[in-house]
Amino acid sequence: GDSVTQMEGPVTLSEEACLTINCTYTATGYPSLFWYVQYPGEGLQLLLKATKADDKGSNKGFEATYRKETTSFHLEKGSVQVSDSAVYFCALNQAGTALIFGKGTTLSVSS
Amino acid sequence: DTGVSQDPRHKITKRGQNVTFRCDPISEHNRLYWYRQTLGQGPEFLTYFQNEAQLEKSRLLSDRFSAERPKGSFSTLEIQRTEQGDSAMYLCASSLVTGTNTGELFFGEGSRLTVL
Repeated sequence: GDSVTQMEGPVTLSEEACLTINCTYTATGYPSLFWYVQYPGEGLQLLLKATKADDKGSNKGFEATYRKETTSFHLEKGSVQVSDSAVYFCALNQAGTALIFGKGTTLSVSS
Repeated sequence: DTGVSQDPRHKITKRGQNVTFRCDPISEHNRLYWYRQTLGQGPEFLTYFQNEAQLEKSRLLSDRFSAERPKGSFSTLEIQRTEQGDSAMYLCASSLVTGTNTGELFFGEGSRLTVL
């Protein structure tokens, strides 16, 4: 079945460092891809998404590009802030089906 | 609108007891999902409803689990004869589906179950 694999954390960075969180997927067909974020004490919320190959999703300085040839959707940010500390989940779905999530990657940013 | 709300936020119970969780989705959303999340794992899909119809159930949803959405608004998830392995965070999410567009999922803060 469809699945998502994320790099394991935790990822620990200093403020203003560059961030990459790797995500690869296995799916039949052409899924939509998502990054969700969970800040401490809060519910999951959508960070960005891409619905077809070569699409780039972006939000709050984060970006991810849907790469069909490498089945990847890596999350990147050029300069992280302390407020970016959270758990990040990569996810996919096929039209009309439920989201399938990766295991999550914890990011900790220190000042 | 206050988003997706779940109740209770925390539940501690003894093995063998029944528990019920409630989810109130965003009012205009027609789809409602239940997920389970354990420590260090991503959310695992349990079931979803389109209006009042339960359209899909994961094989994770054993016969001790039952979910309802009687009027297409709020939903309940009941776990009968709880086991220690049921300890987890139970997440509810809702979305507005139009055509083949699944729509963004909005999650509640979850209901944490601890089975002693």
